[in-house]
Amino acid sequence: AQSVSQHNHHVILSEAASLELGCNYSYGGTVNLFWYVQYPGQHLQLLLKYFSGDPLVKGIKGFEAEFIKSKFSFNLRKPSVQWSDTAEYFCAVTRTSGTYKYIFGTGTRLKVLA
Amino acid sequence: SQTIHQWPATLVQPVGSPLSLECTVEGTSNPNLYWYRQAAGRGLQLLFYSVGIGQISSEVPQNLSASRPQDRQFILSSKKLLLSDSGFYLCAWSVRQSYEQYFGPGTRLTVT
Repeated sequence: AQSVSQHNHHVILSEAASLELGCNYSYGGTVNLFWYVQYPGQHLQLLLKYFSGDPLVKGIKGFEAEFIKSKFSFNLRKPSVQWSDTAEYFCAVTRTSGTYKYIFGTGTRLKVLA
Repeated sequence: SQTIHQWPATLVQPVGSPLSLECTVEGTSNPNLYWYRQAAGRGLQLLFYSVGIGQISSEVPQNLSASRPQDRQFILSSKKLLLSDSGFYLCAWSVRQSYEQYFGPGTRLTVT
C-alpha cells in the first residue's frame, strides 16, 4: 500500500537556521507531490507542489523542495527560517493514474525560536 | 473566489450520541469533496471522497458515513460515536481533474 513517511516529528530551530524536512513515499509509479503547511489557528494551505519537469520546485515564503526519484524523496528546505515559519508541515502524495486521493505523512511540527 | 466552510468548529459529544458535521463550498461547481481525520499523533487520513451528488467512496471501514445531498454540501455522520472517533476533521475540495486540494478550517471533535 502507498505510504508517506515524515521522520522528523518535532523540530526546533533558532531563527536564521537552515531547515530540511524529510519526506519519503512508497510507490513505484509516477506521483504528484505536495507540501502543505498549517500555521497556528489557520487552514491547511499549499506550500508547493511537484507534478513533472524540474525536480527542484519553489513555493511560497522562500520554501523549496527537491524531488529525487531514485530515493523516493521530496524533502522540504528553507535556507533561513523565521519565527513566523512556526507551523505544522505535511507531505502528501497522489498517483498520476487518475485518482485524486492524497496520502499524507504524519506531519512535522516546527518551532522556530526568536 | 472560492471558500469552504465547516461547522461546528469544536464539538464535545458523549459516547453513543449521533454526529453530524457539515461542509459547504462556495464559488465553484461540481467540485470533488473530501473528508479527512487527523487523530492525535497521526497524519491526515482520508475517510471519504465524492465526485458528485450521491456518489460517496469510503476509504476506511469505520463508524462513520458521509453524504452529499447537494453539489457543494458534504456531510459526515455517525449514529453512535465511539471514543476512537475523537480527532480533528477536515473537509477539502478540488476542481474536477485537478490534484490540488483546498482545505476548510476543520472541526475538533472530542468524544467523552
